Amino acid sequence: QKEVEQDPGPLSVPEGAIVSLNCTYSNSAFQYFMWYRQYSRKGPELLMYTYSSGNKEDGRFTAQVDKSSKYISLFIRDSQPSDSATYLCAMGARFSGNTPLVFGKGTRLSVIA
Amino acid sequence: DVKVTQSSRYLVKRTGEKVFLECVQDMDHENMFWYRQDPGLGLRLIYFSYDVKMKEKGDIPEGYSVSREKKERFSLILESASTNQTSMYLCASGQGAKGYTFGSGTRLTVV
Repeated sequence: QKEVEQDPGPLSVPEGAIVSLNCTYSNSAFQYFMWYRQYSRKGPELLMYTYSSGNKEDGRFTAQVDKSSKYISLFIRDSQPSDSATYLCAMGARFSGNTPLVFGKGTRLSVIA
Repeated sequence: DVKVTQSSRYLVKRTGEKVFLECVQDMDHENMFWYRQDPGLGLRLIYFSYDVKMKEKGDIPEGYSVSREKKERFSLILESASTNQTSMYLCASGQGAKGYTFGSGTRLTVV
């Protein structure tokens, strides 16, 4: 079983739709969770960061963590064509020293005008 | 904002050439990373470094080496480039708990 699983998509939605992107993980030591957005031919940029369980909201974006189910989600409200990108989840364990983050493979999202 | 700068956006090299990819960060981060990204395979960690002159192998170190002589600079070296090393190479720096900052990437083509 891979440490982090992420559906690669592609996911295509109409403008204005609510988008749900998800990752599952197997390592119960993971405590901080991130979402990155990557536009075509660019490097990933950090979009959202959450620690432990719960929700975090930033504008149209909401990150949700359910540690009991080992499941994280990113919701995008009122999706726009400019949200078309690949979204990668990443996670790490607290007090893990220099152990690198573990990334999902990314979900490609297209928002159609 | 943290900046991670990669020296080249696009490179074309010949098989067998020695290739240097340079990365510089300006936020005094101890940790720096080199990834390659290929369609369907996601980000794969090649090497990382948590201090000057220190290096650790990632998941796919074969055919690569790295150099970290100064804290802000982390170089990836392809000793003898091969066509299967054609890829997007991404450098990153940062601490795990606060996320990484990535460079814009270098698209390397080996012919």
